[in-house]
Amino acid sequence: DIQMTQSPSSLSASVGDRVTITCRASHSISTYLNWYQQKPGKAPKLLIYAASSLQSGVPLRFSGSGSGTDFTLIISSLQPEDFATYYCQQSYGTPRTFGQGTKVDVK
Amino acid sequence: QVQLQESGPGLVKPSETLSLTCTVSGGSINSYYWFWIRQPPGKGLEWIGQIHYSGTTNYNPSLKSRVSILVDTSKNQFYLKLSSVTAADTAIYYCARDRLSANPSIGEFGFWGQGTLVTVSS
Repeated sequence: DIQMTQSPSSLSASVGDRVTITCRASHSISTYLNWYQQKPGKAPKLLIYAASSLQSGVPLRFSGSGSGTDFTLIISSLQPEDFATYYCQQSYGTPRTFGQGTKVDVK
Repeated sequence: QVQLQESGPGLVKPSETLSLTCTVSGGSINSYYWFWIRQPPGKGLEWIGQIHYSGTTNYNPSLKSRVSILVDTSKNQFYLKLSSVTAADTAIYYCARDRLSANPSIGEFGFWGQGTLVTVSS
């Protein structure tokens, strides 16, 4: 299985902050990397697919980059509705695997 | 806009079989890959497996001996069966769909159900 490791596991930030979350794959996965946002009691929501493509309807403050084994999700200016847990997921091979999540909470 | 809705028992006894249904509305089950994903309370996400509308399946090896995913295109539904459950199978179970119609699956979970909590307990 391809292991996905996110860092940090949690972070505290304020509205307006630039937030960076990283994800590392145990093997090269090209750009087969997706990011999800999950709020308490809700299903995950696809934010970014193929490492850097913004899902329809997702605000432009979200961006993704990377290839191979190292990937980054950036929120350029954190908004109140962005406090949530973020997961990366590889779609290079099966089984599909997720990172352990990064919780973004209020500083 | 496609919508997915999980249904099934919220409580299953140890050693029994967990059975869930995902009903798809607002779109056809045809031409897509469909998934089951679970999340133990307070923990991360685990891909259980997938099914193509044609019936082709792929399961997580960690669950392969116990899991079965089926599809009924006439009812626009697909199903999860997980046998010999233990407390470790207690989780929120989500059904999901690939972002696009493609073969093979692109593995981008673009649409999700709201999830259903299944507790394994006697």
